[in-house]
Amino acid sequence: EAEVAQSPRYKITEKSQAVAFWCDPISGHATLYWYRQILGQGPELLVQFQDESVVDDSQLPKDRFSAERLKGVDSTLKIQPAELGDSAMYLCASSLDLEGNYGYTFGSGTRLTVV
Amino acid sequence: DQQVKQNSPSLSVQEGRISILNCDYTNSMFDYFLWYKKYPAEGPTFLISISSIKDKNEDGRFTVFLNKSAKHLSLHIVPSQPGDSAVYFCAASAMGSNYKLTFGKGTLLTVNP
Repeated sequence: EAEVAQSPRYKITEKSQAVAFWCDPISGHATLYWYRQILGQGPELLVQFQDESVVDDSQLPKDRFSAERLKGVDSTLKIQPAELGDSAMYLCASSLDLEGNYGYTFGSGTRLTVV
Repeated sequence: DQQVKQNSPSLSVQEGRISILNCDYTNSMFDYFLWYKKYPAEGPTFLISISSIKDKNEDGRFTVFLNKSAKHLSLHIVPSQPGDSAVYFCAASAMGSNYKLTFGKGTLLTVNP
């Protein structure tokens, strides 16, 4: 079964350092999402891509977060500088198109701990 | 402001009995609803969904009921199995929102053998 690949699975970083997460969506999936899940909360959308274009980044803290999907395939989410409050699970998901696959597929996530 | 609310942080049921997980929403623009299951250290897994034009959708042991007038949906699991123990998230989407999902905080279901 096709999977959304994410790396690393776990990351510990010191505050003020830079950190980056990588996501490889299911082949052929045009839409890619980055969600953040803080412990005890539900996932919240950070950024959504359609191919290489950003569709929604209204909840992305742009002073420290950036995301790119240069060739419309894999994607990188970066935080610089990291803050203690950034500790969370970062989830990537992909779907076939904007209207399809409401059951979009999530990756296993990257658990970030900022110390 | 929480647009999707799961007011029960946890639920414990006996194996073989029914599990009922509840979800309320406030945004009347939501027209599609989904349930996800999440194990620790894994991403959410899609379970079942329902469109606002329906009031019930069934898939095996899982049934979702939607009451639009009450802005309430529920997930029924019958019979419950120990492997169903996980966090269950309710999520909703609105037409015109680029299919962005808004999640509740989740309910931890424990099914006891």
